[in-house]
Amino acid sequence: DGGITQSPKYLFRKEGQNVTLSCEQNLNHDAMYWYRQDPGQGLRLIYYSQIVNDFQKGDIAEGYSVSREKKESFPLTVTSAQKNPTAFYLCASSTQVAETQYFGPGTRLLVL
Amino acid sequence: KNEVEQSPQNLTAQEGEFITINCSYSVGISALHWLQQHPGGGIVSLFMLSSGKKKHGRLIATINIQEKHSSLHITASHPRDSAVYICAVRNTGTASKLTFGTGTRLQVTL
Repeated sequence: DGGITQSPKYLFRKEGQNVTLSCEQNLNHDAMYWYRQDPGQGLRLIYYSQIVNDFQKGDIAEGYSVSREKKESFPLTVTSAQKNPTAFYLCASSTQVAETQYFGPGTRLLVL
Repeated sequence: KNEVEQSPQNLTAQEGEFITINCSYSVGISALHWLQQHPGGGIVSLFMLSSGKKKHGRLIATINIQEKHSSLHITASHPRDSAVYICAVRNTGTASKLTFGTGTRLQVTL
């Protein structure tokens, strides 16, 4: 079955620790995205990638990093510089940037 | 003021009722999306439209570009329609970016 997978479903971070959220798609999509969702707010774009080996900052990129070494994978690292990382993180992909986005199931990150 | 406003924030309906969720936006757009977020958090794209009206099953989405307004209608609502419905717009000239509303939480009871 084609789709987007995110792992883990829940992730716990200690103070000063970097953590990496996985996002994999087998839809052969060129574009991939990372969003953050907080209670009472709309989704906000962290980073996006239009094509392999290229990515661009979104609205709230500070404290995050990404890589796009393979078409099917777009991992997000939440660094210790992100002071308020507790949120629900959603990955999405689309054939191209202006097309319908398909979302993964999300990862909930909690700080211990 | 947010660029995308949805109303109502919360909506409770009885099974079988006709439901309308509204979305107003303040920027020029090239497309508007309606999304459905299930209680577990997963999001499904329902519609992408830039003019007129689209229908899929019991769901109908309309958009009025001049009034900068869109509506999502659900006919013959069912408890399985209970979810958060999110409006998102693609600003003109920024193909890579969607601006999201905060969502409308719908609960359909028996």
